[in-house]
Amino acid sequence: GQNIDQPTEMTATEGAIVQINCTYQTSGFNGLFWYQQHAGEAPTFLSYNVLDGLEEKGRFSSFLSRSKGYSYLLLKELQMKDSASYLCAVLDSNYQLIWGAGTKLIIKP
Amino acid sequence: EAEVAQSPRYKITEKSQAVAFWCDPISGHATLYWYRQILGQGPELLVQFQDESVVDDSQLPKDRFSAERLKGVDSTLKIQPAELGDSAMYLCASSLNPGLAGPDTQYFGPGTRLTVL
Repeated sequence: GQNIDQPTEMTATEGAIVQINCTYQTSGFNGLFWYQQHAGEAPTFLSYNVLDGLEEKGRFSSFLSRSKGYSYLLLKELQMKDSASYLCAVLDSNYQLIWGAGTKLIIKP
Repeated sequence: EAEVAQSPRYKITEKSQAVAFWCDPISGHATLYWYRQILGQGPELLVQFQDESVVDDSQLPKDRFSAERLKGVDSTLKIQPAELGDSAMYLCASSLNPGLAGPDTQYFGPGTRLTVL
């Protein structure tokens, strides 16, 4: 079966750096997405990786290792507004998006 | 900035009643998705349309759920009759280029929060 694993919850301090990991086992791979979802709201697109390596976008960076079935989302200079759930999703061989359950990130002052 | 529109934002209904949700995707987006999301879980795909055709409805409970996208633009998802377990967030998303090289990013509407009493 297809599976995506993320930690359920993480806590970090305002101004710090946090890394949210995602491991996946899917039938084929056509890219990995990270979405941010604030409580009660819809997911919003953060990043897309299809090749190995690091993609940087402002305070957020996303890394992919296809051989290890592994990705992480790195958030720097954390702000209170970064408190949200972060969803990892993989596009499989049929171009279907397989979603993880999300990691709830709690930012403390 | 173009957005996916959904209505209503909130719906409270009693079990055995019928409910309907509406979605208008970003203009020009051929692919439309309906998801159900239970608190603390990732979105679960219910149905995917390519223009007016259903691409995937394998996870749609067809005894009570139906979806249509008659003109290949906006879409309606219906539940009849609603059950207590249907309480969830119903999300609509759209994308531009399914299955082609490059990211086929899905953009989500604000969702409809359904509560079945």
